[in-house]
Amino acid sequence: KQEVTQIPAALSVPEGENLVLNCSFTDSAIYNLQWFRQDPGKGLTSLLLIQSSQREQTSGRLNASLDKSSGRSTLYIAASQPGDSATYLCAVKADKLIFGTGTRLQVFP
Amino acid sequence: DVKVTQSSRYLVKRTGEKVFLECVQDMDHENMFWYRQDPGLGLRLIYFSYDVKMKEKGDIPEGYSVSREKKERFSLILESASTNQTSMYLCASSSSGLAGSGNEQYFGPGTRLTVT
Repeated sequence: KQEVTQIPAALSVPEGENLVLNCSFTDSAIYNLQWFRQDPGKGLTSLLLIQSSQREQTSGRLNASLDKSSGRSTLYIAASQPGDSATYLCAVKADKLIFGTGTRLQVFP
Repeated sequence: DVKVTQSSRYLVKRTGEKVFLECVQDMDHENMFWYRQDPGLGLRLIYFSYDVKMKEKGDIPEGYSVSREKKERFSLILESASTNQTSMYLCASSSSGLAGSGNEQYFGPGTRLTVT
């Protein structure tokens, strides 16, 4: 059974720091991995999708990597800003999308 | 831009009521999904649909049903609402086909349902 774990569960950093969020999964037989952002009380916003054949994807200050063989993905956020404060979720796609429980990020000025 | 909309942001219903949650997407996506999100449990899949009039059970279908009469619309129905169905409900859609599709899921804003 696929399990997705995100570490840390919460993170608080000063503005301007570069930071890394981690996602691990137990079954490497996936089609893709998706990173989402969720603001309190809101829906999920898709940030990046990495297909199983890809190693990384970039969008602006965000870079996501995928190492399928080791069951790991990282989301790198460069030069963090207070507006980046949110919960970040990763999800892996096999027969369905399996979500981690998220990392709650706070970036303070 | 993909747009997934849900009929209500907040809803309060009484125990035993029949509840309809509506989801509409404007990108001609074949696949649509209903999840619920609870603290400590994350997102769990309730039902999904790969085509009009098709539906498949997810992980927690008990107490729910769905309807997909048109491609753009996917409804979640609580036949007789109970307090343990108080939750955030999220609808999502994605393009083309089969379970093995590697396509991105897009989510709606969510409906916070409270059953009293």
